[in-house]
Amino acid sequence: ETGVTQSPTHLIKTRGQQVTLRCSSQSGHNTVSWYQQALGQGPQFIFQYYREEENGRGNFPPRFSGLQFPNYSSELNVNALELDDSALYLCASSLGLVSGANVLTFGAGSRLTVL
Amino acid sequence: AQSVTQLDSQVPVFEEAPVELRCNYSSSVSVYLFWYVQYPNQGLQLLLKYLSGSTLVKGINGFEAEFNKSQTSFHLRKPSVHISDTAEYFCAVVGGSQGNLIFGKGTKLSVKP
Repeated sequence: ETGVTQSPTHLIKTRGQQVTLRCSSQSGHNTVSWYQQALGQGPQFIFQYYREEENGRGNFPPRFSGLQFPNYSSELNVNALELDDSALYLCASSLGLVSGANVLTFGAGSRLTVL
Repeated sequence: AQSVTQLDSQVPVFEEAPVELRCNYSSSVSVYLFWYVQYPNQGLQLLLKYLSGSTLVKGINGFEAEFNKSQTSFHLRKPSVHISDTAEYFCAVVGGSQGNLIFGKGTKLSVKP
């Protein structure tokens, strides 16, 4: 079975630009979550998608948005980039909504640098 | 709201020595706890999880953790570490009605020869 794959692995943007990050979930998984990991911090929950709809959101502004497609892959879009958006963005998939039994499988992440 | 505190940001240890990485969580009615490991330039890999039952949980790579409800702790241990265990370790709890994971800030384990 294939794991979670993310693209691109690294990218550099300037303030005010927009970025799209992509994620392919693990085979058989129907739920995708996105996390932001700033340097020296633990991952923070951005949002979760289940059956193509947003199902839960963390404390992130509306310029962070996402999509989930019928094949359960997902995109994270960030508009009007700010310097503080520089971070590792982690995608994780699971079978069903996250609970103790439905464990997250993480991708290797997309490292975004905003200059 | 749930929260997780990892008490040590860095833990240096010599190869073959025992190690304990500490994690405390805020109390709740039911708790699902996890330890993840992150090797350099990689994503997170699940080491072990506590859902219910036995308070001693065994994971991959020889790691184990003990759930202590009275002390609201879930410390990670390994009796003998290897150079390859050098990584950052994150404790996490399933939080809130959204069921997302809440992570601690991480502990960097550095194993020296």
